Amino acid sequence: DIQMTQSPSSLSASVGDRVTITCRASQSISPYLNWYQQKPGKAPNLLIYAASSLQSGVPSRFSGSGSGTDFTLTISSLQPEDFATYYCQQTYSIPLTFGGGTKVELK
Amino acid sequence: QVQLQESGPGLVKPSQTLSLTCTVSGVSISSDSYYWSWIRQPAGKGLEWIGRIYTSGSSSYNPSLESRVTISLDTSKNQFSLKLRSVTAADTAVYYCARDRWGDTSNLDYWGQGTLVTVSS
Repeated sequence: DIQMTQSPSSLSASVGDRVTITCRASQSISPYLNWYQQKPGKAPNLLIYAASSLQSGVPSRFSGSGSGTDFTLTISSLQPEDFATYYCQQTYSIPLTFGGGTKVELK
Repeated sequence: QVQLQESGPGLVKPSQTLSLTCTVSGVSISSDSYYWSWIRQPAGKGLEWIGRIYTSGSSSYNPSLESRVTISLDTSKNQFSLKLRSVTAADTAVYYCARDRWGDTSNLDYWGQGTLVTVSS
């Protein structure tokens, strides 16, 4: 199985901050990397697919980058509705696997 | 508008079979552009991919669950289903169904709201 490691596991930030979350795969997976946002009690919501493509309807303050084994999700200016948990996912090989999640909290 | 909705018992006894159905609206599960997936999430923990099925009936499963899992399609009802046999308390989780959009890559672009399944006697 491909292991997905996210860092940090949690972070505290303020509205307007630039936030960066990292995801590292145990082998090269480009560009089979997706990012999801999950709010408490809700299903995950797709933000970024194929490492850097913005899903329709997702605000442009979200962006994804990276290649090989290292990927990044960036929120350019954190908004109140962005406080949530973020997961990366690889779809390079079965079983599809997720990172452990990064919880973004209010400072 | 694409919608997915999970249904099934919220309580299952240990050693029995967990059975869930996902009813899909707004898109045909016979479309060749999608897989149909199940994912679960224990309380306070991360996401675990269970498996997926294609319109042809071809399926893939997580090896950690493969010996106990079956995913099937009912195209007449536009539904797909999950069966997980010989459950234990470790199978207690919120279970999600999702559409896996595939092309050059794949991604889970629509999800059901999730249903909590508790394994307890």
